Amino acid sequence: AQTVTQSQPEMSVQEAETVTLSCTYDTSESDYYLFWYKQPPSRQMILVIRQEAYKQQNATENRFSVNFQKAAKSFSLKISDSQLGDAAMYFCAYRSARADYGGATNKLIFGTGTLLAVQP
Amino acid sequence: DGGITQSPKYLFRKEGQNVTLSCEQNLNHDAMYWYRQDPGQGLRLIYYSQIVNDFQKGDIAEGYSVSREKKESFPLTVTSAQKNPTAFYLCASNRGLRTGELFFGEGSRLTVL
Repeated sequence: AQTVTQSQPEMSVQEAETVTLSCTYDTSESDYYLFWYKQPPSRQMILVIRQEAYKQQNATENRFSVNFQKAAKSFSLKISDSQLGDAAMYFCAYRSARADYGGATNKLIFGTGTLLAVQP
Repeated sequence: DGGITQSPKYLFRKEGQNVTLSCEQNLNHDAMYWYRQDPGQGLRLIYYSQIVNDFQKGDIAEGYSVSREKKESFPLTVTSAQKNPTAFYLCASNRGLRTGELFFGEGSRLTVL
């Protein structure tokens, strides 16, 4: 079974600085998707960024980028120029691509989350 | 605007009572999911449905029940058999294939008194 591990329960960063959140996963599959979700105090889960495993290029969305190391099964999130609004719980998630052709359930497996604080 | 609506946002229940959490989506998504969130445990899958009139147990289905009579609706009943029901419950949906990401509702906080 696939698992997702986030080893940093809490992180802190100064406003305008850069922070990296870690995520590792375990799978025997070669085709899958990885995601980072943000959960602010409002509790609404928001997709930050997604990565397809078959793509070697790391995904980027404005100030958010990932470092996807497939062989190491690592998927870290880098937040540049941190803002106060970035303060939230961040979840890493995995989804099998086998679900695309009916080979598996189309469900996401989540890590336990990292609580990010942004200091002014 | 399209989205997922969960209700109620806050719910208090006495021990021994069943409660039903509502989840409605107008995104025309085929698949819907219920997750439970507890501090330090991330999100755990309770039940999911990939098509109307069909649903499967997730990782922690004991003490819960669902129905999927309409594409738009996927209510979750927390029964008295659920030993520790106090939690934050999140409903989500997606189109089902080649989309990956889930779209979430705002959640429902259930407290058992």
